[in-house]
Amino acid sequence: GESVGLHLPTLSVQEGDNSIINCAYSNSASDYFIWYKQESGKGPQFIIDIRSNMDKRQGQRVTVLLNKTVKHLSLQIAATQPGDSAVYFCAEITHRQTSGTYKYIFGTGTRLKVLA
Amino acid sequence: ETGVTQSPTHLIKTRGQQVTLRCSSQSGHNTVSWYQQALGQGPQFIFQYYREEENGRGNFPPRFSGLQFPNYSSELNVNALELDDSALYLCASSLADNYGYTFGSGTRLTVV
Repeated sequence: GESVGLHLPTLSVQEGDNSIINCAYSNSASDYFIWYKQESGKGPQFIIDIRSNMDKRQGQRVTVLLNKTVKHLSLQIAATQPGDSAVYFCAEITHRQTSGTYKYIFGTGTRLKVLA
Repeated sequence: ETGVTQSPTHLIKTRGQQVTLRCSSQSGHNTVSWYQQALGQGPQFIFQYYREEENGRGNFPPRFSGLQFPNYSSELNVNALELDDSALYLCASSLADNYGYTFGSGTRLTVV
């Protein structure tokens, strides 16, 4: 069935280093992909998204790369800060033609720990 | 602009009981989705409501049901609670023609 999974459950990085969080997906028909950040006790917070017809998108300190050939998504965080410590989820989004709404499938998450 | 609010924030129930969780959508949003997030896992899709009708459902039994009201607020009802129902329940609202979700902070349900 459709699934979105992550390779690394926990990632520890030194403050100031760059972080790379990976995600594999299985539905080649997904229209969009989103990375979310979830801090303890809070709901997921949008970080950055990318359309399926793009291979790279940059935001403030974050970059998302999409490789449709191998169905792989990654989130790069530049100059990682203590405030970046959280669980990161990727989600693949498919458009429902009949209703115009969207279906989300989330991965299991990667915990990012920033070491001082 | 108000965000998505969920109530209650925490809840303890006994196995076999019923529970109702509530969600107020972000202003202007007409679609609401509910997710179950077990500890250490990603959110699992329960169902989505659009224009007060169920618009998609994940792999959850019928004892998980929902409602969406004309003001786009929503309820998640779970009957015959089981221990495995213990989780964080997340509500997310969006506009039907926009894939951007706004999540609430969730309701932490503990079944004992």
